[in-house]
Amino acid sequence: LAKTTQPISMDSYEGQEVNITCSHNNIATNDYITWYQQFPSQGPRFIIQGYKTKVTNEVASLFIPADRKSSTLSLPRVSLSDTAVYYCLVGVSGYSTLTFGKGTMLLVSP
Amino acid sequence: GAVVSQHPSRVICKSGTSVKIECRSLDFQATTMFWYRQFPKQSLMLMATSNEGSKATYEQGVEKDKFLINHASLTLSTLTVTSAHPEDSSFYICSARDHQGRIGQPQHFGDGTRLSIL
Repeated sequence: LAKTTQPISMDSYEGQEVNITCSHNNIATNDYITWYQQFPSQGPRFIIQGYKTKVTNEVASLFIPADRKSSTLSLPRVSLSDTAVYYCLVGVSGYSTLTFGKGTMLLVSP
Repeated sequence: GAVVSQHPSRVICKSGTSVKIECRSLDFQATTMFWYRQFPKQSLMLMATSNEGSKATYEQGVEKDKFLINHASLTLSTLTVTSAHPEDSSFYICSARDHQGRIGQPQHFGDGTRLSIL
């Protein structure tokens, strides 16, 4: 399973765009990149998933360069409620077990 | 979207008690469910993979006789912490993937069970 590296923490203010980058140098051909959000005392919540290029949904965008060795989760106009831990995971989505790294603690301030 | 339900959300019990936690996929069938444990300010650690109709696969260091897993149907997996002790106090989370198992289908997580052993 590809190991991922993310910043331990990030700070932002309400209304700003936040970009969290994850490196996964050993990503395999069949691996997808999946991001989850976790609030205290709750299970992780699926945010977005992609394989290559760009994926966008109603809450985030995911940018994946051609070599797929990294990815960037983009959260537009964050609010206080976006304060959470964000995990980047890679694997054959749906089939493989998921190995969680330390995640990125995002703190959004007023 | 896919919903995974865990019950109970919180358990407080005395040392030596066995505790059962249920994980249900509400709107999809799951041949495979996963059980995680999370200690305060730490990441999720996979404990075991639960397969419908067969024995669970445990991660290294996880005692299978301590953490009994049963996956009797496509919508239900249970984790029983036997003879629980204070060191078993943790946040237990399950996840499941759709029975269809198509590549690209993400895992969906329950809201976790906070287990506190006195």
